[in-house]
Amino acid sequence: SQQGEEDPQALSIQEGENATMNCSYKTSINNLQWYRQNSGRGLVHLILIRSNEREKHSGRLRVTLDTSKKSSSLLITASRAADTASYFCATDEQSGNEKLTFGTGTRLTIIP
Amino acid sequence: KAGVTQTPRYLIKTRGQQVTLSCSPISGHRSVSWYQQTPGQGLQFLFEYFSETQRNKGNFPGRFSGRQFSNSRSEMNVSTLELGDSALYLCASSTGPVTGELFFGEGSRLTVL
Repeated sequence: SQQGEEDPQALSIQEGENATMNCSYKTSINNLQWYRQNSGRGLVHLILIRSNEREKHSGRLRVTLDTSKKSSSLLITASRAADTASYFCATDEQSGNEKLTFGTGTRLTIIP
Repeated sequence: KAGVTQTPRYLIKTRGQQVTLSCSPISGHRSVSWYQQTPGQGLQFLFEYFSETQRNKGNFPGRFSGRQFSNSRSEMNVSTLELGDSALYLCASSTGPVTGELFFGEGSRLTVL
């Protein structure tokens, strides 16, 4: 079952623009992570934000977490063609089921 | 340091056959998790192994099984293949908690005809 639902399902923007994608989840979490997947390849870890953190930055990435709304957003600034990929959020639930539960993903296309 | 290695990368089987997929984690990583990815269901957790013990299992039928060896390499097996088993099978390793950062392999693309 999916814990996270990403929104939008697909997003196309011009190179140089900012891209924002959102993740909503259902149960209380310990941490939330974002991963990137290039077509048909493995996932690459981008960033982890803990439940007691509200915002985190890594290079051109900015992640926010609102535990009261059970949602997170990933902002990619100054997008590049190489950012074209699918982006997934993954949650570590407080229920202690000891696994990461992945969302449905956002397909991001950067138009050169 | 070498990344997570999965073999084979691509394979085609027919219904009723069985398949074994292999995963070599990053050196020093003792936890190995397996995920199934399909367009319809997304990424679904299969199981996780740590020090040769299965610590967690997802909601998959008994046809899906796995094991881990003393060198942390892991295999998963799917018996009596069904068309719906066609998927990208991803292996991930980690140093510590399986709920922390995962390092994924490139996956094994299984097609069942």
